[in-house]
Amino acid sequence: RKEVEQDPGPFNVPEGATVAFNCTYSNSASQSFFWYRQDCRKEPKLLMSVYSSGNEDGRFTAQLNRASQYISLLIRDSKLSDSATYLCVVISNYGGATNKLIFGTGTLLAVQP
Amino acid sequence: DTEVTQTPKHLVMGMTNKKSLKCEQHMGHRAMYWYKQKAKKPPELMFVYSYEKLSINESVPSRFSPECPNSSLLNLHLHALQPEDSALYLCASSEVQGSMYEQFFGPGTRLTVL
Repeated sequence: RKEVEQDPGPFNVPEGATVAFNCTYSNSASQSFFWYRQDCRKEPKLLMSVYSSGNEDGRFTAQLNRASQYISLLIRDSKLSDSATYLCVVISNYGGATNKLIFGTGTLLAVQP
Repeated sequence: DTEVTQTPKHLVMGMTNKKSLKCEQHMGHRAMYWYKQKAKKPPELMFVYSYEKLSINESVPSRFSPECPNSSLLNLHLHALQPEDSALYLCASSEVQGSMYEQFFGPGTRLTVL
């Protein structure tokens, strides 16, 4: 089983739609959680951190459920510019100061006009 | 300056060549990372440097040799690579190596091994 799992998609949605991505992680000792966005042939860029209390940034809402080891990202009112691969990222501690970023496989979003 | 730069952008090399990838950041970050990303796959961690010392080596073959000459620079020396090593090589940095610190990625070097 992969340490971080995501539905690879693609998710094809019309402009203005609401779309939700899910992610599960297997290491219960994981400490920090993020959503990164990666455009085609570009580097990943941080979209938002994910907290247990949930957090919102404009049209984006991220949620963490530690009990279920589940992370979500909700995008409201999708724009064409939201088309990208969304990577769920988990940081786990492997002893001492050794923290590693583990990426999910990514979910491809294509917003259609 | 919140930027990580990488050179070259593209590199084509033969299996007997020796080349180096370079990464630079001027954000004062003390942790730097090399990742390898194959097409349609997520980045995979290769190496982590923390305060210019190698902190993590993810069992990477010795044909990849990292070097951290100072706190702003990270190199990846390549020798005797295989065609399956063709990928996007991403450098990243963070304030320190810790779970709460965002990693900033460079644009990557797209490597093709013939």
